[in-house]
Amino acid sequence: AQKVTQAQTEISVVEKEDVTLDCVYETRDTTYYLFWYKQPPSGELVFLIRRNSFDEQNEISGRYSWNFQKSTSSFNFTITASQVVDSAVYFCALSEAIGSGAGSYQLTFGKGTKLSVIP
Amino acid sequence: DAGVIQSPRHEVTEMGQEVTLRCKPISGHNSLFWYRQTMMRGLELLIYFNNNVPIDDSGMPEDRFSAKMPNASFSTLKIQPSEPRDSAVYFCASSLTGRPLHFGNGTRLTVT
Repeated sequence: AQKVTQAQTEISVVEKEDVTLDCVYETRDTTYYLFWYKQPPSGELVFLIRRNSFDEQNEISGRYSWNFQKSTSSFNFTITASQVVDSAVYFCALSEAIGSGAGSYQLTFGKGTKLSVIP
Repeated sequence: DAGVIQSPRHEVTEMGQEVTLRCKPISGHNSLFWYRQTMMRGLELLIYFNNNVPIDDSGMPEDRFSAKMPNASFSTLKIQPSEPRDSAVYFCASSLTGRPLHFGNGTRLTVT
């Protein structure tokens, strides 16, 4: 069975601070995919990143960076120089590899981390 | 481009009534998902269609829930009869094979 744990329920930081959101996952699959989604106060879910289990390179996109460590089954997300607009709930998710005929990812989500950035 | 469109945005109904939630996926996407979000259980996959065919409905809570996808551009999730514990935000998402899911804005359902 797949499981995603986001141990931090809520985090508050002051604007311009760096913040790291933790994600630990469990799976028996050797091939799998990891995702982060953002849910701002307006409620929609916004896709941020997808990584496959064979690519452990860290990724940076502007102020966002992701650290994937297979050895510790973690896929952590860091926001550098946080801004008020970063305030949202962030979800980490896991999907097994797409099998033949399966079509697409079936995401197992963590419970989310609510980030509040205080001006 | 239009994203995934869900209607209604909010639904308030009384226990025992039938509720129908609607979803229009992104044009060209071949997979469609219904998720439910609650404080207690987080985001849960209810059912997943590929090419309009239900692939996995193991997440559907009970027989009161049913989902259909009569064509590539429309899906419904029906609850009959509704109960207060069904109150949640219901999300529809769509994707192309091998591509990330795109979510709609959700339908907030309140059953009194």
